[in-house]
Amino acid sequence: NAGVTQTPKFRILKIGQSMTLQCTQDMNHNYMYWYRQDPGMGLKLIYYSVGAGITDKGEVPNGYNVSRSTTEDFPLRLELAAPSQTSVYFCASSAPGAYQPQHFGDGTRLSIL
Amino acid sequence: RKEVEQDPGPFNVPEGATVAFNCTYSNSASQSFFWYRQDCRKEPKLLMSVYSSGNEDGRFTAQLNRASQYISLLIRDSKLSDSATYLCVVRWGNSGGSNYKLTFGKGTLLTVNP
Repeated sequence: NAGVTQTPKFRILKIGQSMTLQCTQDMNHNYMYWYRQDPGMGLKLIYYSVGAGITDKGEVPNGYNVSRSTTEDFPLRLELAAPSQTSVYFCASSAPGAYQPQHFGDGTRLSIL
Repeated sequence: RKEVEQDPGPFNVPEGATVAFNCTYSNSASQSFFWYRQDCRKEPKLLMSVYSSGNEDGRFTAQLNRASQYISLLIRDSKLSDSATYLCVVRWGNSGGSNYKLTFGKGTLLTVNP
């Protein structure tokens, strides 16, 4: 009963390094999302996807890239990490439909030093 | 005006108290509405959807007023385990299965004290 799985759970990066945050879901959901949550703030949408091969920008896409080659996987790539990208990152998925809930992974806590 | 605005909180209440959270949204084209719960350092989880006629789930009652663009959550007989941050969430998107995006409020922290 895995749901949405994110790896890694924690990571420390140096400024200028790159990394990929992994997200996979086993619910056959079409829609997948990446959010970041800064302390005391609401979740901000980075990128989303409505199906394999289709991605689109959210509110805060700068400094990130995504791909969706399969229904299950939606990795988030950070290029040239900056201190402003220190945050908690959540991946989520949902089925289509206005009242379908989003299911979240446990999150990745990322620090850029 | 912020898209989804909630009571700033925090709320500190004794066990057994009734507590109400309020939320307003700015996009009149919003389609669906939710309350999520987020425990400290955990992921958000759906608490309940909010329907136009209002709905109840045990001790939790949600109300929606589309004319005023206002959503509320009432918790009766609060328990220690209700301590969490409550997130007001609004979704709008195109009908026909197009992209549905959620907008989250900042959340209201509730602490229920023994």
